Amino acid sequence: DIVMTQTPLSSPVTLGQPASISCRSSQSLVHSDGNTYLSWLQQRPGQPPRLLIYMISNRFSGVPDRFSGSGAGTDFTLKISRVEAEDAGVYYCMHATELPLTFGQGTKLEIK
Amino acid sequence: QVQLLQSGPGLVKPSQTLSLTCAISGDSVSSNSAAWNWVRQSPSRGLEWLGRTYYRSKWYSDYAVSVKGRMTINPDTSKNQFSLQLNSVTPEDTAVYYCVRRGPAGQFDYWGQGILVTVSS
Repeated sequence: DIVMTQTPLSSPVTLGQPASISCRSSQSLVHSDGNTYLSWLQQRPGQPPRLLIYMISNRFSGVPDRFSGSGAGTDFTLKISRVEAEDAGVYYCMHATELPLTFGQGTKLEIK
Repeated sequence: QVQLLQSGPGLVKPSQTLSLTCAISGDSVSSNSAAWNWVRQSPSRGLEWLGRTYYRSKWYSDYAVSVKGRMTINPDTSKNQFSLQLNSVTPEDTAVYYCVRRGPAGQFDYWGQGILVTVSS
């Protein structure tokens, strides 16, 4: 199974400041079709996860443009350009390159 | 807009069968570009993919090793829904269970509301 490792596990961020979360996979996420199926999810307390970014850098419908994704191969990053209060929650990376699909352990974003 | 609505009991006794249903609106369980997944979340295991079903001229299902042999995912085209059955449950199967659509770009884009299932006598 591909292991997804996120850093940091917790990130206190001041309102209006940028935030960055890293995700590293134990092997390349490049699929045989040439695509990299790496996504980022946000989960607020009591809610299901919500898709933010897919295929490394594509923002899902309705996701604010302060969220961006980058990376390649085994190293990926989610960035928030200016954190807002509503961004508090836990962020997960996940891959869908092969079975089983696996998730990172989550990064808790705390807004100061 | 795709919506997934989950239903099923929140309490199951050990050794019994956990059964959940996910009703789909805004898409078809027989879609040739989507896959229909079950994911669970617990404090000990985090987010865990359990399995999927999808239609590509015929029906396919895949399962995680951790539940293979105990889990069945069935599509129901007449009701446009899919279901999960997990046999011989133990307290370790206690979790919030989600149904999720995987879109054509591999994205887990639409999630059900989640159901907390507790395995306890």
